[in-house]
This record gives sequence, structure tokens and C-alpha cells, in this order.
Amino acid sequence: EAGVTQFPSHSVIEKGQTVTLRCDPISGHDNLYWYRRVMGKEIKFLLHFVKESKQDESGMPNNRFLAERTGGTYSTLKVQPAELEDSGVYFCASSQDRVGYSYEQYFGPGTRLTVT
Amino acid sequence: GIQVEQSPPDLILQEGANSTLRCNFSDSVNNLQWFHQNPWGQLINLFYIPSGTKQNGRLSATTVATERYSLLYISSSQTTDSGVYFCAVASVYGGATNKLIFGTGTLLAVQP
Repeated sequence: EAGVTQFPSHSVIEKGQTVTLRCDPISGHDNLYWYRRVMGKEIKFLLHFVKESKQDESGMPNNRFLAERTGGTYSTLKVQPAELEDSGVYFCASSQDRVGYSYEQYFGPGTRLTVT
Repeated sequence: GIQVEQSPPDLILQEGANSTLRCNFSDSVNNLQWFHQNPWGQLINLFYIPSGTKQNGRLSATTVATERYSLLYISSSQTTDSGVYFCAVASVYGGATNKLIFGTGTLLAVQP
């Protein structure tokens, strides 16, 4: 079974440009999460999808960030326009959503975003 | 919201030594996971352990949910164990999201 995959692995963009990150969860996982670690700080929650619906987006820092999960499969996270403080590693995670299963979240390898 | 504290913040070991990392949390949890962030920045799942004890090779973990702490044991450490170890929890009062709250991590350096 394939794990969570993320693309690209690394992105370098200039301030003011747009970047789109992609996450493919484990097949059959309804829950999809985005997290990020910026400036060497702790990893923080951004938002949570259940299938195609946003369950919780309380961690999104501002309206320059837009997440979508069309069709309830893969998800994209767009940053527009990017600022220097957006540099960091963006992680995606997925988990099952069935009674009796564990709450374990499986993380992807992350996308390292560098804004210059 | 729930607070997560990890100790020690930094740890330097000689290869072959054993270590214990601690994670304290402030509320009841339905998820507790330990991760290793390798030098390439990838998060590697180590344990899903909201309660009880698990072992995987040289690593083991114990969570005492009633006392709100978890321990990660590394035995016979190797240089490849170096990196940051994170504890992350989801509060039972966090609603349907089950979002993980991460500690600040323990930076481990294993010297040859």
C-alpha cells in the first residue's frame, strides 16, 4: 500500500509569486490534514478535510492560503502571494474515519518551501 | 487548549548509549504519536501509543495516560538516530478534528 505522497519535494520561489503544493493521501483515508513547520518552530496544524469538506481550518494563517480537496481524493494548498515568513516544511497527513479504527495519522515526506 | 512539553530539549550521546525522552501533556488524549524528523526534514512515524507500551527494535515507548506522560526509549543508539524527536497528541476534547498538537521536540545528536 502506497503511503502519503507530496509534490513537489522542494520549491524555491520569489516573494509575491504563487505556489501550489499537492498531497495524495493513502487510498481510502477520508481524513486529510495539512501541517507546517516554519522558522525552526514547532509543527502546527493548518486544516482538516473529511472527504471534500473542510472540517476545521482554524490553523490557516491568513487568506493568502487556500486549500482544496476536490472529489475527496488529493488535496492542494495554494499560497498566493507568497511571503518570506511562509518558508518552511509543509506536511500532509491522512487517517481513516471508521468507528473502531485508530486515530493514527500517517505523514507524507513534506514539501520544503523556500521564499526568497 | 492542550499543552505538550518535551524534555530534554537537546541531548548529545555517544554511539551505543541509551536514552529516555519524555513527553508531558495537559489533558486526556485519544491519540499520541512519536515521530523522528530526519536530517532531510521528513517525519517518520515511530509509534502510535495513546496508552500502554510498544516496542520496535531498539526503540520502545510507554504512555501512562492517567498520569499524562509518555516516554520514548532509545537503546544502543546509532548515528542514524540523530535528528529531532517529536511527540504529538490529540485531545479528547478537540472535537471531531483530532488535530495533532506537537511538542517543541528533542534534538538528539549521536556522536561516533
